[in-house]
Amino acid sequence: AQSVTQLDSHVSVSEGTPVLLRCNYSSSYSPSLFWYVQHPNKGLQLLLKYTSAATLVKGINGFEAEFKKSETSFHLTKPSAHMSDAAEYFCVVVYHMEYGNKLVFGAGTILRVKS
Amino acid sequence: GAGVSQSPRYKVAKRGQDVALRCDPISGHVSLFWYQQALGQGPEFLTYFQNEAQLDKSGLPSDRFFAERPEGSVSTLKIQRTQKEDSAVYLCASSYRQGGTQYFGPGTRLTVL
Repeated sequence: AQSVTQLDSHVSVSEGTPVLLRCNYSSSYSPSLFWYVQHPNKGLQLLLKYTSAATLVKGINGFEAEFKKSETSFHLTKPSAHMSDAAEYFCVVVYHMEYGNKLVFGAGTILRVKS
Repeated sequence: GAGVSQSPRYKVAKRGQDVALRCDPISGHVSLFWYQQALGQGPEFLTYFQNEAQLDKSGLPSDRFFAERPEGSVSTLKIQRTQKEDSAVYLCASSYRQGGTQYFGPGTRLTVL
């Protein structure tokens, strides 16, 4: 079965400093992995996705993530945090079904950005 | 352009009442998903439609939960005899094709008193 573990429920950074949100996955086969972001009162938005092509994936708003099979990790990073990055972030592993994809979400990491 | 919309945005129900939550997917999207997000948790899969066919309902927590998509567009999630543990945000997502990117609506926050 596929699952993800987000290692931090809350992360606090200062504006302009790097962001690291950690995610470890468990999968019985080579997984597809996503990161979604959820701003208050807004729908979940896809940040980036890994689907077995390049291991370093670039997403929107300057975020990127690196798939590391040896560490079963898919951590999300950004070189310099902006106030608008404050939101909740979800690591997602994709469960491939005959009909399509079922998303399995982690518990989420709330990112706080201090001025 | 128009995204996925859900109504109502907030719903308060007394224990034992029936509720109906509506999802309007992006026009032309074949696939539609419902998820339940409890407080402090990530969303959990409830059910999946491909057009009007409900192909997966393995995530529905009990037989009090029922979903339909009769014409392959709008979907309704119905919860009968609501219980306090049903309190959550219910999210709808749609995608253009099987396996495509899922686009999420803003959710309906259900509170059962």
